[in-house]
Amino acid sequence: DSGVTQTPKHLITATGQRVTLRCSPRSGDLSVYWYQQSLDQGLQFLIQYYNGEERAKGNILERFSAQQFPDLHSELNLSSLELGDSALYFCASSSTIMNTGELFFGEGSRLTVL
Amino acid sequence: GQQVMQIPQYQHVQEGEDFTTYCNSSTTLSNIQWYKQRPGGHPVFLIQLVKSGEVKKQKRLTFQFGEAKKNSSLHITATQTTDVGTYFCAVLIYNQGGKLIFGQGTELSVKP
Repeated sequence: DSGVTQTPKHLITATGQRVTLRCSPRSGDLSVYWYQQSLDQGLQFLIQYYNGEERAKGNILERFSAQQFPDLHSELNLSSLELGDSALYFCASSSTIMNTGELFFGEGSRLTVL
Repeated sequence: GQQVMQIPQYQHVQEGEDFTTYCNSSTTLSNIQWYKQRPGGHPVFLIQLVKSGEVKKQKRLTFQFGEAKKNSSLHITATQTTDVGTYFCAVLIYNQGGKLIFGQGTELSVKP
């Protein structure tokens, strides 16, 4: 158990819909990262937050947004969903701002868009 | 942008054989991390290498960081079925807020 909690574990929805994925980092970790993992793309970095502020951005689509709340949990919002958004979405946390140490990953949220 | 190339993409070995995966970068890296993802699981941190020429061992696993800090390798001696999974290298991009970029991964299967 990494200590990172993600909900929901599985989600099935239709094209055009909007979903929210939730992540609670390890106790004490201030950095939260979001990754997308699909079969042909590996682990793609989406976005990083540190103590509520956005720190780094990857190739995150404009239809996607995220935030980190004062209690340090984070949410990833995916809107106008397309079939290609079907993937496993991982949240990870670390204790440092620049990730000089390891990332702890949650179990992931598997999104299926039909 | 920064990319790290990882090879091979797949490796099938007989139990007891050795296995090696390689990560290569066109630019000098500040550090490199290695993760393992079991089938159906999430990535789990294995190790971080920071120094030029660094070699670290964890039981049957040997990690190396190249002298020029542009490449790294993970070698498993005498593979076991418990080694099955995908091995990823990951590099830190300091000038972009500290994002961690993962290689494409090497999927290892072990035939008993």
